[in-house]
Amino acid sequence: AQTVTQSQPEMSVQEAETVTLSCTYDTSENNYYLFWYKQPPSRQMILVIRQEAYKQQNATENRFSVNFQKAAKSFSLKISDSQLGDTAMYFCAFTPPQGGSEKLVFGKGTKLTVNP
Amino acid sequence: DGGITQSPKYLFRKEGQNVTLSCEQNLNHDAMYWYRQDPGQGLRLIYYSQIVNDFQKGDIAEGYSVSREKKESFPLTVTSAQKNPTAFYLCASRIGAERGLNEQFFGPGTRLTVL
Repeated sequence: AQTVTQSQPEMSVQEAETVTLSCTYDTSENNYYLFWYKQPPSRQMILVIRQEAYKQQNATENRFSVNFQKAAKSFSLKISDSQLGDTAMYFCAFTPPQGGSEKLVFGKGTKLTVNP
Repeated sequence: DGGITQSPKYLFRKEGQNVTLSCEQNLNHDAMYWYRQDPGQGLRLIYYSQIVNDFQKGDIAEGYSVSREKKESFPLTVTSAQKNPTAFYLCASRIGAERGLNEQFFGPGTRLTVL
């Protein structure tokens, strides 16, 4: 079974500091797709960043960046200059290589709290 | 404004009753999905549809049913066969059904509580 593991159920960080959320996944494929989604207290899921495994360059979106280690099957999310609005559940998701359909397998999430 | 709407936001059901959750999108997306979210469990896929009049079971389809008669609508019925239906339900859509970097867009969710 395809799995995504987020080993940190909860984390906290001080405003303006940097925090890294970990994610590992299980696959034998060479090309696949990885995503980080954010779910704030409103519970609206929002895409934070995405990465194609075929590309070795780490994706970056403003204060959010990933450290993609393909051999280690690791896809960590780094949030720089943390802001109070970053407080949310963060889910790592992975597209398993099944057929031609796009399905996402989610990790169990990391609850991030940014403290003032 | 384009987006995904889910209704109702909160839903209460008595044991033994079927209930239908609505999901509508005006993004002209081909693919639509239903997820269930429980505390500490992340999101789990219930059903998905790649095209009108076609849908497939996800990882936890037992006790649920869906239909896709129109491109913009993908209602989910929680039947009395679902043993533990109390959960937060999220609907999502995507521009295409093929694998790739296209993201899934999510609705605001429906909180179902069985009394």
